[in-house]
Amino acid sequence: QKEVEQNSGPLSVPEGAIASLNCTYSDRGSQSFFWYRQYSGKSPELIMSIYSNGDKEDGRFTAQLNKASQYVSLLIRDSQPSDSATYLCAVNSGVNSGYSTLTFGKGTMLLVSP
Amino acid sequence: SAVISQKPSRDICQRGTSLTIQCQVDSQVTMMFWYRQQPGQSLTLIATANQGSEATYESGFVIDKFPISRPNLTFSTLTVSNMSPEDSSIYLCSVEGTGNTEAFFGQGTRLTVV
Repeated sequence: QKEVEQNSGPLSVPEGAIASLNCTYSDRGSQSFFWYRQYSGKSPELIMSIYSNGDKEDGRFTAQLNKASQYVSLLIRDSQPSDSATYLCAVNSGVNSGYSTLTFGKGTMLLVSP
Repeated sequence: SAVISQKPSRDICQRGTSLTIQCQVDSQVTMMFWYRQQPGQSLTLIATANQGSEATYESGFVIDKFPISRPNLTFSTLTVSNMSPEDSSIYLCSVEGTGNTEAFFGQGTRLTVV
């Protein structure tokens, strides 16, 4: 069974600090990896995608992927109180019957204090 | 990304009744996905809906409980049948992005069964 594991948190960081969110996955054949942000009572919003080993930066966000270790992370620099949300890691499980599906972790709650 | 409109946004229903959730996309899409997010949990894929064919259900979900319609390339419905309090969840409609690996979500339907 394909699994995606995340620490549920909460992860508490002060405003301006770097928040580091981690995720491991079980399916070694996974090819695509995503981070979603979900505010309380809202639907998930895609914030980062990464497909190859290494780092990918987009503004204050950096996604890191290490396929050998089956590990993906999200760094948020200069954290703001508005970043307080649950961050979901999602892994593309590959094509099955002509379409691909995502497996989601349970999410890490991030709390950024002013 | 596509604009996905989902309704109702929330509902409180009596046990034993059924609720139909609608999902409208502003562009034609091949696949539409229905997820469930139980309180404090991550997203679980219920089924995949392809226009012109029967929906494909994930393990643990059956058509009698969650019938799905997909009459055209921009619309789908999910019905939660014979509801019990255990069906209280957020139900989310999703479509693939242009890369065919990421997912974008509607606003979700928060269902409470009493």
